[in-house]
Amino acid sequence: QKEVEQDPGPLSVPEGAIVSLNCTYSNSAFQYFMWYRQYSRKGPELLMYTYSSGNKEDGRFTAQVDKSSKYISLFIRDSQPSDSATYLCAMSLNRDDKIIFGKGTRLHILP
Amino acid sequence: NAGVTQTPKFRVLKTGQSMTLLCAQDMNHEYMYWYRQDPGMGLRLIHYSVGEGTTAKGEVPDGYNVSRLKKQNFLLGLESAAPSQTSVYFCASSFRGTLFKNEQFFGPGTRLTVL
Repeated sequence: QKEVEQDPGPLSVPEGAIVSLNCTYSNSAFQYFMWYRQYSRKGPELLMYTYSSGNKEDGRFTAQVDKSSKYISLFIRDSQPSDSATYLCAMSLNRDDKIIFGKGTRLHILP
Repeated sequence: NAGVTQTPKFRVLKTGQSMTLLCAQDMNHEYMYWYRQDPGMGLRLIHYSVGEGTTAKGEVPDGYNVSRLKKQNFLLGLESAAPSQTSVYFCASSFRGTLFKNEQFFGPGTRLTVL
């Protein structure tokens, strides 16, 4: 079993829809959970950063962590064509540790 | 601030040739990383450095060497390129320490093709 599993997609949804992106992981010791966004032919950039379980909201984006299920989610409300990108989940044991990335999910928001 | 820059942006090599990829950051970050990104494989860590003069192996280090002679620069070398090294290479950097969010800042990538 890989440490971090993420469906590669592609996922196509109409503009304005709510998008749900997910990852599962196997190492229960992970404490820090991140979502990076990568536009085509660009480097990834940090989108959301959470510690331990719970929810974190930032504008149209909500990150959710369920440590009991080893499952993290990213929700995008009122999706826009500019949200079309690859979303990589990522996690680490602590703040001073290497980050383990998922393979990324390609998202297309259709106008 | 330029952030993380990578040189070159594109390169085509023949099998057996050598080259060096340069990464530079102007954010005074202690940690630097080299990743490769391939379709269906995601980001895989090649080598990383936790400070000037130090390097360590990542997940896929074979066929690559690195050096961190200056804090702001991290070089990735391919001594004898192989077609399996065709990929997009990303450099990243981050602060060290638990006072900081474990955020990595990525460069724009180098697209390498080995024929």
